[in-house]
Amino acid sequence: QVQLQESGPGLVKPSQTLSLTCTVSGGSIRSGDYYWSWIRQPPGKGLEWIGYIPYSGSAYSNPSLKSRATISIDTSKNQFSLKLSSVTAADTAVYYCAREAPPVRYHYAMDVWGLGTTVTVSS
Amino acid sequence: DIQMTQSPSSLSASVGGRVTITCRASQSISNYLNWYQQKPGKAPKLLIYAASSLQSGVPSRFSGSGSGTDFTLTISSLQPEDFATYCCQQSYSTPWTFGQGTKVEIK
Repeated sequence: QVQLQESGPGLVKPSQTLSLTCTVSGGSIRSGDYYWSWIRQPPGKGLEWIGYIPYSGSAYSNPSLKSRATISIDTSKNQFSLKLSSVTAADTAVYYCAREAPPVRYHYAMDVWGLGTTVTVSS
Repeated sequence: DIQMTQSPSSLSASVGGRVTITCRASQSISNYLNWYQQKPGKAPKLLIYAASSLQSGVPSRFSGSGSGTDFTLTISSLQPEDFATYCCQQSYSTPWTFGQGTKVEIK
């Protein structure tokens, strides 16, 4: 079955850009009517949806991030990525990638998740 | 943004007991409501989608109901592996938003 795995630096300096990649295995990122998303969870807090991208179409990012988030997809590598610019300590969190199931039947439910990767913003 | 409010924020229950968690949306979201279970240090796991549909592989003791603004997750007979945090998520209107979570602890 489909599995997701996040990768990227665990430590990022303030004002720099956080870059993470999610590798999809066990299936093609182009198959089906799926959306590929990023979610984060600050320490001790709830989940925040960062945004998503379909394999063909435009990405959408949460306006709460004030245009700092960019989500892209590389179908040749079966990967999708997140870049978050101008990070501060408030961006310290566990970052998850997830697959959102087809909207018509599954209402975009996040049915497959990566294990998560901890990113700390600190000098 | 649509605000999702869960109650209670935590509860204590016994093995074999019945648990009910409520999620309220700040506006009508039809049945675009999903429920997740999260254990410490782990990724969330999808339990219920479209308010009442059981995700494949999830035990039938989990059920969901509701439509519009008020939704419920019920665990009919709590098992030791069910002690976790549960959260709701709306997928009616972007940005998707989550409830703050309900922690289910052992009584």
